[in-house]
Amino acid sequence: AQSVAQPEDQVNVAEGNPLTVKCTYSVSGNPYLFWYVQYPNRGLQFLLKYITGDNLVKGSYGFEAEFNKSQTSFHLKKPSALVSDSALYFCAVRDSSIKAAGNKLTFGGGTRVLVKP
Amino acid sequence: NAGVTQTPKFQVLKTGQSMTLQCAQDMNHEYMSWYRQDPGMGLRLIHYSVGAGITDQGEVPNGYNVSRSTTEDFPLRLLSAAPSQTSVYFCASSYGVSSGNTIYFGEGSWLTVV
Repeated sequence: AQSVAQPEDQVNVAEGNPLTVKCTYSVSGNPYLFWYVQYPNRGLQFLLKYITGDNLVKGSYGFEAEFNKSQTSFHLKKPSALVSDSALYFCAVRDSSIKAAGNKLTFGGGTRVLVKP
Repeated sequence: NAGVTQTPKFQVLKTGQSMTLQCAQDMNHEYMSWYRQDPGMGLRLIHYSVGAGITDQGEVPNGYNVSRSTTEDFPLRLLSAAPSQTSVYFCASSYGVSSGNTIYFGEGSWLTVV
């Protein structure tokens, strides 16, 4: 069974400082990894994904994530956080070896990011 | 493009009532799905569809029905609402069923069952 862990319920960071949101995963095969962001009372917005290739993936709004196979991690990073980055962030995984249509996206529990001015 | 559109955004139901959450997408996506979001649990898959006329169960299907008569629409029906179904519901879609395809989400429907 596949799973995702986001070990921090909340991350607090000062505006202008680097932001890191941690994610580790478990799948049987090779992972497809995704990051989504959710603003209050809104849906999930896609930020970035890792499918194959370069381990450093760049996405929307200045975010990037690094795939580390040996540590089974896919941490989300932003070099300089903005107050507007305050939101709920979700990491998700799919097992690339499962070809069935029911290969669901498994989500972590979410990490709330609070960026203070 | 509107993307994935869900209605209603907010709804309060009494225990035992039935209702339908509507979902439509204008991206000609084959794959559509419904998730529920509960605090600390991320999102869990309720039902999904890989095309018109084809639906299947996800990990938490009990108490919900779906149908897919057209490519665009994928309504979720609550047959007899229970307080345990109080949640935020998200409809999602993607182009094709490849695991690497990005799934796009609607704005959500906040449902309270009293």
